[in-house]
Amino acid sequence: GAVVSQHPSWVICKSGTSVKIECRSLDFQATTMFWYRQFPKQSLMLMATSNEGSKATYEQGVEKDKFLINHASLTLSTLTVTSAHPEDSSFYICSARRSLGNEQFFGPGTRLTVL
Amino acid sequence: SQQGEEDPQALSIQEGENATMNCSYKTSINNLQWYRQNSGRGLVHLILIRSNEREKHSGRLRVTLDTSKKSSSLLITASRAADTASYFCATNGDSNYQLIWGAGTKLIIKP
Repeated sequence: GAVVSQHPSWVICKSGTSVKIECRSLDFQATTMFWYRQFPKQSLMLMATSNEGSKATYEQGVEKDKFLINHASLTLSTLTVTSAHPEDSSFYICSARRSLGNEQFFGPGTRLTVL
Repeated sequence: SQQGEEDPQALSIQEGENATMNCSYKTSINNLQWYRQNSGRGLVHLILIRSNEREKHSGRLRVTLDTSKKSSSLLITASRAADTASYFCATNGDSNYQLIWGAGTKLIIKP
């Protein structure tokens, strides 16, 4: 149990387009989902915390209008990178937390390349 | 997957004391990272130490790395109640992105 999926696993897009990444908890309800980005051989950087039914909480330095997060249900959160630019190229990872407990379950990540 | 080991699993100390947590790993690494997680919150990156580094400081944090023993330690000096959290180590090997996580140490700072 406790499986988290992400879709797509990789995406290549042109500069200026928007890209949506989905994060799903497959066999549990996730009241909270977290979005991270990671550069090659670097650490995970928390971007935002997404609670079902409410607005996401963004970390300092993360542009809300650039990275739109929607957590419409207890099993789905989406991250939309709007007007993507080459510097947005990164590995985006989500994690989900159950209603009870502190453990986070990570998705496999989405590799975004912006040309 | 969690292949690293951290000890202790839980640590409770008085405010003002130093807290030391250890992490051991099994494979060769490119770097080792320490994260903090407050209850119910996301992971927050604390410090990254590369395989060719032996010690690194950041504020009240001091990280050491001994690649011969495949171990690392995180020292928090002059602990504060706000340091109460779970601390995780993660190693990055040949993969650009994959991190291998330790099980974490739960640190409680008593006021």
